[in-house]
Amino acid sequence: SQLAEENSWALSVHEGESVTVNCSYKTSITALQWYRQKSGKGPAQLILIRSNEREKRNGRLRATLDTSSQSSSLSITATRCEDTAVYFCATDAGTGGYKVVFGSGTRLLVSP
Amino acid sequence: DAGVTQTPRHEVAEKGQTIILKCEPVSGHNDLFWYRQTKIQGLELLSYFRSKSLMEDGGAFKDRFKAEMLNSSFSTLKIQPTEPKDSAVYLCASSSDRGGAETLYFGSGTRLTVL
Repeated sequence: SQLAEENSWALSVHEGESVTVNCSYKTSITALQWYRQKSGKGPAQLILIRSNEREKRNGRLRATLDTSSQSSSLSITATRCEDTAVYFCATDAGTGGYKVVFGSGTRLLVSP
Repeated sequence: DAGVTQTPRHEVAEKGQTIILKCEPVSGHNDLFWYRQTKIQGLELLSYFRSKSLMEDGGAFKDRFKAEMLNSSFSTLKIQPTEPKDSAVYLCASSSDRGGAETLYFGSGTRLTVL
């Protein structure tokens, strides 16, 4: 079973709407990361939130972390067509930071 | 600054062949990762190097997969012999150790098709 897992396989929104991707994980972590992967490219980090942080923002992106429920969310406001991608959460799987394990991803489609 | 460079972008191999995938990490990064990505299994860690030392050798991937860091700026992943089930995208990523949380910088990957 996955050590980190997004809760939705796919989401679809219209441009301008907000969307939230959720993630749950199974071990104690040093940090949780959110990555985005566009077609034909490797994943690119969006936000890294450490275990002692509860919220992190990056422009239109907001990530939250709840270590008590071992869950995280990534919210995107004012979505754009170029936000269409696969979104992954990733954790260090309790290894002290070095081994990054990815969830299977949530496919987000933003349509005009 | 140059990002992670992977070559080739596409590779087609016959079953039983040996293939070598190449990766140049971001200059100055001392951690390097090889992942395999498929629709079914997602991103699976194959190998992990820290300062050229192999830290993770891929468990179930050990028998036919061998990753090497020839120097701090070049790594290879050899698959020998290839099987059709090896068809996937192989991603290389590098990172600078920030003491407890790795930000991975990925290349665009090599898409391998084994016939």
